[in-house]
Amino acid sequence: QVKLQQSGAELVKPGASVKLSCKTSGYTFSTSYMSWFKQIPGQSIEWIGMIYAGDGGTGYNQKFKGKATLTVDTSSSTAYMDLSSLTTEDSAVYFCARTGHGWFAYWGQGTLVTVSS
Amino acid sequence: DTVLTQSPALAVSPGERVSISCRASEGVNSYMHWYQQKPGQQPKLLIYKASNLASGVPARFSGSGSGTDFTLTIDPVEADDTATYFCQQSWNEWTFGGGTKLELK
Repeated sequence: QVKLQQSGAELVKPGASVKLSCKTSGYTFSTSYMSWFKQIPGQSIEWIGMIYAGDGGTGYNQKFKGKATLTVDTSSSTAYMDLSSLTTEDSAVYFCARTGHGWFAYWGQGTLVTVSS
Repeated sequence: DTVLTQSPALAVSPGERVSISCRASEGVNSYMHWYQQKPGQQPKLLIYKASNLASGVPARFSGSGSGTDFTLTIDPVEADDTATYFCQQSWNEWTFGGGTKLELK
């Protein structure tokens, strides 16, 4: 079955960067799309961007351009998201989700990122 | 951006019927989807394209609407349905509503 396993919680200092991972199994990763989302606990969900594993092509929510960089490693069926120049406003849970026709049937369990000095 | 507006909270008794609404700031055709999220968990897809039941989701859940006004209905409500419900549109990029927290009396 389809599985998306995200990396563990991160505690990072302001100004630093962090790289989150999303390891997949149960489907053909190399011809699929992956999206990433941000959710501050108790609040709504924001779409950050999407990547096509076939060629690494990306699309971003304008709000997250310059903040997030999406990459993939097809040899390990893993998607990555780099978050740079972190501030306390970046503290949130980040989810990956396999992207189909505009809705999201498969999600990772989420990674909590806490930005604190 | 297409803004999706949901009522923040509802309280119902088990066995009752509940309707959760979502209004879009502009028409999204039928490209509205619904998710259930419990604390500490990832969202779970319930309904896609307004009225299609996702795989494995009980038939107690149903969706309706088109254009700007959409509804998720749960009938009958069960104790396990306590959660926050989000609508999401995919007509103009992808945006989510603010969520409706469903509590059981």
